Amino acid sequence: AQSVTQLDSHVSVSEGTPVLLRCNYSSSYSPSLFWYVQHPNKGLQLLLKYTSAATLVKGINGFEAEFKKSETSFHLTKPSAHMSDAAEYFCVVSGFAGGTSYGKLTFGQGTILTVHP
Amino acid sequence: DGGITQSPKYLFRKEGQNVTLSCEQNLNHDAMYWYRQDPGQGLRLIYYSQIVNDFQKGDIAEGYSVSREKKESFPLTVTSAQKNPTAFYLCASSPTLAKNIQYFGAGTRLSVL
Repeated sequence: AQSVTQLDSHVSVSEGTPVLLRCNYSSSYSPSLFWYVQHPNKGLQLLLKYTSAATLVKGINGFEAEFKKSETSFHLTKPSAHMSDAAEYFCVVSGFAGGTSYGKLTFGQGTILTVHP
Repeated sequence: DGGITQSPKYLFRKEGQNVTLSCEQNLNHDAMYWYRQDPGQGLRLIYYSQIVNDFQKGDIAEGYSVSREKKESFPLTVTSAQKNPTAFYLCASSPTLAKNIQYFGAGTRLSVL
C-alpha cells in the first residue's frame, strides 16, 4: 500500500521569500515521487519527479525537492516566491505492487500556496 | 500542438440524465486515465485504460462508464446512478501503464441543475 500526506492545506508567503511545501509518503516498495502544480480551473502540470537517481531533484520555475528516505519525506522548496507561483500543489507517489505493471499514482490532498505582494 | 483536449469545459446535468465527457490525446500514448477532483480531496482514480479495447476500474468507478475504441480517445460517461456527480473531472495519459508520468488535460467542470 502507499499513501501521501501533505502536512499543510494552506501556505501563505510574501513575494521574494522562500517557499516550503511539506510532503511525507509511505510505500511498500521503492517509490517514484512527483510534484504537480494546478492553477485555478486548469489541469495539472508536472513540476518535477524523483525516480531513484539523485536525491535532490530540480524542476521547472526554480522549484526543487529533496528525497529523504530516512524521513520518508519529499518536501518542495523555492528560494524566492513569485506572484505567479500562487496555485495548488500536489505531492504524488507511484509504485508497483504485486508484480503488476501498473504504477498507480496516489495523490496528496493538495496545498494551496498564496503569495502576497 | 501535442496534448490532451477535454471538452466541454463546463457541463450541466439534469436529474436522471447521462452525460459524456470527451478526452482526446495526440501524444500517441497507450495509457489513459480519468480522475475526479473534489475540494480538499486530491484526485481519485475513476477508470484507466492500458490499451485500446481494454479498461479497468479505479477506486471510485461506481456510477461511471468508459470506452476505448480508439487509441486517442477515452470518453467518460457519468450515469444517472452517480448520485453526487458535481466535481472537476481530469483526463490524463502516459506513454504506457508502467512509464507513468502522466500528462493532464485542462479538465471539465460538471454541475447538477
